[in-house]
Amino acid sequence: DAGVTQSPTHLIKTRGQQVTLRCSPKSGHDTVSWYQQALGQGPQFIFQYYEEEERQRGNFPDRFSGHQFPNYSSELNVNALLLGDSALYLCASNVQGIRDTEAFFGQGTRLTVV
Amino acid sequence: AQSVTQPDIHITVSEGASLELRCNYSYGATPYLFWYVQSPGQGLQLLLKYFSGDTLVQGIKGFEAEFKRSQSSFNLRKPSVHWSDAAEYFCAVARYSSASKIIFGSGTRLSIRP
Repeated sequence: DAGVTQSPTHLIKTRGQQVTLRCSPKSGHDTVSWYQQALGQGPQFIFQYYEEEERQRGNFPDRFSGHQFPNYSSELNVNALLLGDSALYLCASNVQGIRDTEAFFGQGTRLTVV
Repeated sequence: AQSVTQPDIHITVSEGASLELRCNYSYGATPYLFWYVQSPGQGLQLLLKYFSGDTLVQGIKGFEAEFKRSQSSFNLRKPSVHWSDAAEYFCAVARYSSASKIIFGSGTRLSIRP
């Protein structure tokens, strides 16, 4: 079982550019959540996707958007990058509708905005 | 407002010594409570979780945590630490299981003194 896989592992972008991060959930999982972890801080919830729709959203601007595909994989898109968007972006997957389901996290994508 | 406070930013413990990491939370109802560990370059790994039942919860790697409702605390303990325990530890809360939005504390970095 490959677990949650994220790509790329590292990325450097310039201010104002757009970026797309990718996540493949653990086998059998149908829900994907994205988190932003700035240096020295805990992860912050961006949004969650289930059945190809955004189900929950954290306090992030509209520059952050996402998508979920029929195979449950997901993308996180960030437009008009700011220096403050530099962070580790974590993807987590789980199964909906099962009590006490556990979210499994990927190793993250390190985004640096210069 | 929902929040998690980890008052210790960095703790150093001698190998073989006992460990206690502090966590306090603010939440409207009884939440799910979690402890995660993050090693350098790694994603988040769930150590243990609590929602109901016995207030002393056993986790992986010899860790345990005690829920104290009156103090809104969920402290993590280990009787004897190993050098491999050096990592960042995050306390977190969620309304339901970890399938829902997870709110993380800012983390405690644990260093082990040989």
